[in-house]
Amino acid sequence: DIQMTQSPSSLSASVGDRVTITCRASQSIRNYLNWYQQKPGKAPKVLIYAASTSQSGVPPRFSGSGSGTEFTLTISSLQPEDFATYYCQQSYSNMYVFGRGTKVEI
Amino acid sequence: QVQLVQSGAEVMKPGASVKVSCKASGYTFTDYFIHWVRQAPGQGLEWMGWINPKSGVTNYAQKFQGRVTMTSDTPISTVNMELSRLQSDDTAVYYCAREYGGNSFIWFDPWGQGSLVTVSS
Repeated sequence: DIQMTQSPSSLSASVGDRVTITCRASQSIRNYLNWYQQKPGKAPKVLIYAASTSQSGVPPRFSGSGSGTEFTLTISSLQPEDFATYYCQQSYSNMYVFGRGTKVEI
Repeated sequence: QVQLVQSGAEVMKPGASVKVSCKASGYTFTDYFIHWVRQAPGQGLEWMGWINPKSGVTNYAQKFQGRVTMTSDTPISTVNMELSRLQSDDTAVYYCAREYGGNSFIWFDPWGQGSLVTVSS
């Protein structure tokens, strides 16, 4: 099975900071990579699919890049509403494994 | 609007089975797969499997095979997920999510609100 490894597991940042989260796949998944945001007590919401395509309505400060085994999610200027946990997910195989998440804290 | 509404919280004894339902609205129910994902307290997201509501075909994560059953009730646009032989580490919020995508890319959108299942003696 494909394994997804996220780093860091948590980070502290300030409003206005540029934040980068990394996700690595145990084998090539081409660009079959999604990013989700989850706030406490809420269901996840998709931010990015196909590694770099933003879901409709997602602020442009969120961007995704990468292919093969290494991917990044970048928040260009962190806003108060961005403090949340972020998960990557592979959709290359039909076992839709998630990374373990990155918690972005103040 | 597209919406998935799940059944309420459950408290179960170890060894019992639980059934969680997910009612879809706002789209053609049989056109999209439904996935189940769970999240233990303070932990990450764990994919459990999917069901094709039109055909009833399922695909389960190896970890849950033999213990999970996903079914579809098309007339009422509802998918059910039943998990048997519950143990304390099955305590989690269980989410359903609609599979969406195009050009071979797949993501989950939207998600249900989640159903808390607590396993306790």
